[in-house]
Amino acid sequence: DQQVKQNSPSLSVQEGRISILNCDYTNSMFDYFLWYKKYPAEGPTFLISISSIKDKNEDGRFTVFLNKSAKHLSLHIVPSQPGDSAVYFCAASAGGDMRFGAGTRLTVKP
Amino acid sequence: GAGVSQSPRYKVAKRGQDVALRCDPISGHVSLFWYQQALGQGPEFLTYFQNEAQLDKSGLPSDRFFAERPEGSVSTLKIQRTQQEDSAVYLCASSLEVGGARTEAFFGQGTRLTVV
Repeated sequence: DQQVKQNSPSLSVQEGRISILNCDYTNSMFDYFLWYKKYPAEGPTFLISISSIKDKNEDGRFTVFLNKSAKHLSLHIVPSQPGDSAVYFCAASAGGDMRFGAGTRLTVKP
Repeated sequence: GAGVSQSPRYKVAKRGQDVALRCDPISGHVSLFWYQQALGQGPEFLTYFQNEAQLDKSGLPSDRFFAERPEGSVSTLKIQRTQQEDSAVYLCASSLEVGGARTEAFFGQGTRLTVV
C-alpha cells in the first residue's frame, strides 16, 4: 500500500532553470510533510518541511507547496545548480512514523 | 560524532543466518525509525520507537524481524533465518520531537545487508 507516491522516477533540467518535483499522498491523516535529498552511499538528508496548516514554506532556493484538497505537494528549486543532482524523496507523517515515496532522480545539467 | 551511527556498514550473511544491526541515534532524540531500502526504491517503513516504546511495528515484513530499544537510546534490528529477499540497505533515523512539535529526522548511512 503505497501511501506516498512520486510518479516521476527521473527529471532532467538545465542549470539556472526551475526544478519541480511532485509528490502525491493518499492518507488524509498525514499532517507533516518533508523532502529529503540523497547522494549515493549516504543516508537521506533533510531538506525542507511543511506542516499541514500551511500551504507554502520557503528556504532559500527551495520552496515546498502543499495542496491539501488535492493531496499533492511539490518542491521547487530555483535556480537549479549542478550540485542539486541527487535523488529526492518526499515523506509524510501522521504523528509518528514517516512514509516515503520511491524518489525522483534529479539531474541538473551545466 | 554528533550524527546517527549505524553498524556494521556492510554485512554479508549466509541464508539462514541470524543478523543484528545496530543504530546509535543522536543523543536526546526521542523518536527512532527503521527503514528498509531496496535498490532503486524509496525507504520502506519498518518500525518506530518513541523512547523505549515501540509504537508501530506494522512495517516489519515477517516475524523473523524484531527490533528493540530497551533503554530508549541504542536500537537493534534483528533478522532471524535471513533470506535472499532480505538483502537491502537498512536505514535508521532519529528525531528530537520537542514538546510534541514535529522535527525532521536525521538518518544514518545505513547498513547494506547482502544475503548469499
